[in-house]
Amino acid sequence: DAGVIQSPRHEVTEMGQEVTLRCKPISGHDYLFWYRQTMMRGLELLIYFNNNVPIDDSGMPEDRFSAKMPNASFSTLKIQPSEPRDSAVYFCASTLGGASYNEQFFGPGTRLTVL
Amino acid sequence: QQQVKQSPQSLIVQKGGISIINCAYENTAFDYFPWYQQFPGKGPALLIAIRPDVSEKKEGRFTISFNKSAKQFSLHIMDSQPGDSATYFCAATTGWNQLIWGAGTKLIIKP
Repeated sequence: DAGVIQSPRHEVTEMGQEVTLRCKPISGHDYLFWYRQTMMRGLELLIYFNNNVPIDDSGMPEDRFSAKMPNASFSTLKIQPSEPRDSAVYFCASTLGGASYNEQFFGPGTRLTVL
Repeated sequence: QQQVKQSPQSLIVQKGGISIINCAYENTAFDYFPWYQQFPGKGPALLIAIRPDVSEKKEGRFTISFNKSAKQFSLHIMDSQPGDSATYFCAATTGWNQLIWGAGTKLIIKP
């Protein structure tokens, strides 16, 4: 398996523009997580899905952020409109749920810069 | 109560030395404690993990020590190597797959 795939790897945009980040989880995994990482706040969980259904979006910072998972192999995180304080590395991770805890597999991340 | 407190924020260790990173938690319902390792430009990856029914787990040069009564756990890296230079995150979960993350420790191993 190719692992978790994220695109783009780097995104530079101007304030006010819409940004869409994409993620393809590992095949067969039923949990998908979106994280944001910054120097100031560390690794923050934004939202996670189970079987394509959003379970907890309490980490989504504002209404400008939205996430969807239309099928088991694709998820998007959208920021509209983007602001400079959204600049961060955004990670997608997936795991296989079950009776015991399983490893979360992270993608390579998308480095977002909002000018 | 859901927090996991990690220290130190950064750590410099000489090659061959022992690196020690500490974490503390409050929620006694946590039942799984993984450590993730992150290299620059990469996503975190699972390094080693422990359940509270054991006090120590060792994998190669990496050891987790767990003190249930003190609600603390730590990562020890023996014979630290420059290739171990990375950011290390402790975490905890109650089994719902949602991890509660520590703030991370940036480890630098000096040759």
